[in-house]
Amino acid sequence: AQTVTQSQPEMSVQEAETVTLSCTYDTSESDYYLFWYKQPPSRQMILVIRQEAYKQQNATENRFSVNFQKAAKSFSLKISDSQLGDAAMYFCAYKRSYNTDKLIFGTGTRLQVFP
Amino acid sequence: EAGVAQSPRYKIIEKRQSVAFWCNPISGHATLYWYQQILGQGPKLLIQFQNNGVVDDSQLPKDRFSAERLKGVDSTLKIQPAKLEDSAVYLCASLSRDTSYEQYFGPGTRLTVT
Repeated sequence: AQTVTQSQPEMSVQEAETVTLSCTYDTSESDYYLFWYKQPPSRQMILVIRQEAYKQQNATENRFSVNFQKAAKSFSLKISDSQLGDAAMYFCAYKRSYNTDKLIFGTGTRLQVFP
Repeated sequence: EAGVAQSPRYKIIEKRQSVAFWCNPISGHATLYWYQQILGQGPKLLIQFQNNGVVDDSQLPKDRFSAERLKGVDSTLKIQPAKLEDSAVYLCASLSRDTSYEQYFGPGTRLTVT
């Protein structure tokens, strides 16, 4: 069975600084997708960034980038130039390559951003 | 386009009572998911629909939970009777086939069972 582990329950960062959130996963599949979702207090899950396992190039979306290490089964999220609005729960998620398959989430990391 | 709608946003019930949640997915999204998110955990799939058929309900406690998706659009999730451990946020999501198969989430329903 596939599992996703986030070992950092809480992280904090100063505004304008950089922070990295960690995620490891376990799977026997060779093709899959990985995601980072943001969940603010409003509870709505918002997709931050996605990575296809067959792509060697790390995904980037503006201030958000990932470090995808397929052999190590590691998928970290780097947030640059942190903003107060980045404060939220961040969930790492895995999905098998079947397009309609379910998401498997980690336990989340609460990110606090200090002015 | 309008997002995934869910109601109610909050519900408080006593144990052994019944409760129902409603989800209206984004128009045209054939695949719909119900996730349960217990406090301090990530969401876990309860049931997945493709149109009005069930694709995966392996994690649904079928002795107390039921779900349906009539006409392949709106969906309802019911709990009867509720237990204390059912306290959680219930998230509905629908799948777009136009944007890399992204799942779009609703705002969730927070259920408290006392």
